[in-house]
Amino acid sequence: GESVGLHLPTLSVQEGDNSIINCAYSNSASDYFIWYKQESGKGPQFIIDIRSNMDKRQGQRVTVLLNKTVKHLSLQIAATQPGDSAVYFCAETRANSKLTFGKGITLSVRP
Amino acid sequence: SAVISQKPSRDICQRGTSLTIQCQVDSQVTMMFWYRQQPGQSLTLIATANQGSEATYESGFVIDKFPISRPNLTFSTLTVSNMSPEDSSIYLCSVYTTEAFFGQGTRLTVV
Repeated sequence: GESVGLHLPTLSVQEGDNSIINCAYSNSASDYFIWYKQESGKGPQFIIDIRSNMDKRQGQRVTVLLNKTVKHLSLQIAATQPGDSAVYFCAETRANSKLTFGKGITLSVRP
Repeated sequence: SAVISQKPSRDICQRGTSLTIQCQVDSQVTMMFWYRQQPGQSLTLIATANQGSEATYESGFVIDKFPISRPNLTFSTLTVSNMSPEDSSIYLCSVYTTEAFFGQGTRLTVV
């Protein structure tokens, strides 16, 4: 099927390496941030979230870092696997209202 | 969590016609949202579907083009009216409970 990532920036990493995906958000009043993964032909899938009172949160193989000073969010994926290949979006919201999505990055994992 | 069933999963439509997309949730939710994802782009919020009242539309989207129904707390429809090729996109339903969940999307192609 058609990939939604055809026109998005691409990050290419070697299988087993760590990946870092960056996102600049726009609203300094946002207090909740989420990373989503979207595989071809599917809707976005929740990966990890972080609230504005934290600067780091770890999940299984993933870590999200938040720098409110420069309005920057990053997603780190440890030991990247072929199944991690997808489009990744950051999203921001304030007071649990509507989500605003970032532009998205395609992660391509080389075997 | 919430499980969302969205249909149709894809359709090819003639310009000038209308398509209604259905979104069914397996639990009652207060907030339901409709997003559009144009080819190679991120998600853009169309509107918030409110139960018992008119939907709230984002800038650039109007009710005449994208009428929305929300008859109860588990169901909503989005109609794409008088379609043109520029309406070719993926349309996604989303609900917000403790986090945002997405349907698989409807891939619409207008010819």
